[in-house]
Amino acid sequence: ETGVTQSPTHLIKTRGQQVTLRCSSQSGHNTVSWYQQALGQGPQFIFQYYREEENGRGNFPPRFSGLQFPNYSSELNVNALELDDSALYLCASSIDRGPAYEQYFGPGTRLTVT
Amino acid sequence: AQSVTQLGSHVSVSEGALVLLRCNYSSSVPPYLFWYVQYPNQGLQLLLKYTTGATLVKGINGFEAEFKKSETSFHLTKPSAHMSDAAEYFCAVSAHAGGTSYGKLTFGQGTILTVHP
Repeated sequence: ETGVTQSPTHLIKTRGQQVTLRCSSQSGHNTVSWYQQALGQGPQFIFQYYREEENGRGNFPPRFSGLQFPNYSSELNVNALELDDSALYLCASSIDRGPAYEQYFGPGTRLTVT
Repeated sequence: AQSVTQLGSHVSVSEGALVLLRCNYSSSVPPYLFWYVQYPNQGLQLLLKYTTGATLVKGINGFEAEFKKSETSFHLTKPSAHMSDAAEYFCAVSAHAGGTSYGKLTFGQGTILTVHP
């Protein structure tokens, strides 16, 4: 069984640019959550998608947006990048929504904004 | 609203010594509680979780945690540290009622565990 994968592994962007990060969920999982982990901090919830619809959002501005596709893979898009967006972005998939279901994390994409 | 406080950003123990990582939570509804481990340049791996029922929860790699509602705590312990336990550990809380927090994990700041030979 393939785990959660993310691409790319590392990315360097310039302030003001746009970026798309990708996540492939574990097989059979219909829920994906995205988290931002700044250096030295715990992950912070960005949003969750359940069966292609947004199912909850954290305290992030609208320039953070997402998509979940019919095969349950997912994208995180960030527009107008700011220096503070530099972080490790983690996606996590689960077999269903709700806290009883374990979230399986990918290795993350490290984004550096210069 | 939910929050997690991990007491001690760094904990250092000798190999074979007791590991104790502290976590206190705040939640307006009965919580689900989790401990995750993160090795360098990797994602998070679930160690254990408390949902309902038995308050002493056993996890992988010999770790366990006890849910104490009166103390709003969920401390992680391991009787004997191993060098391979060196990593960063995160406590997290999630609400199992409805609303915007449903299914969302709120993490603490993390505790880096160092194990000395």
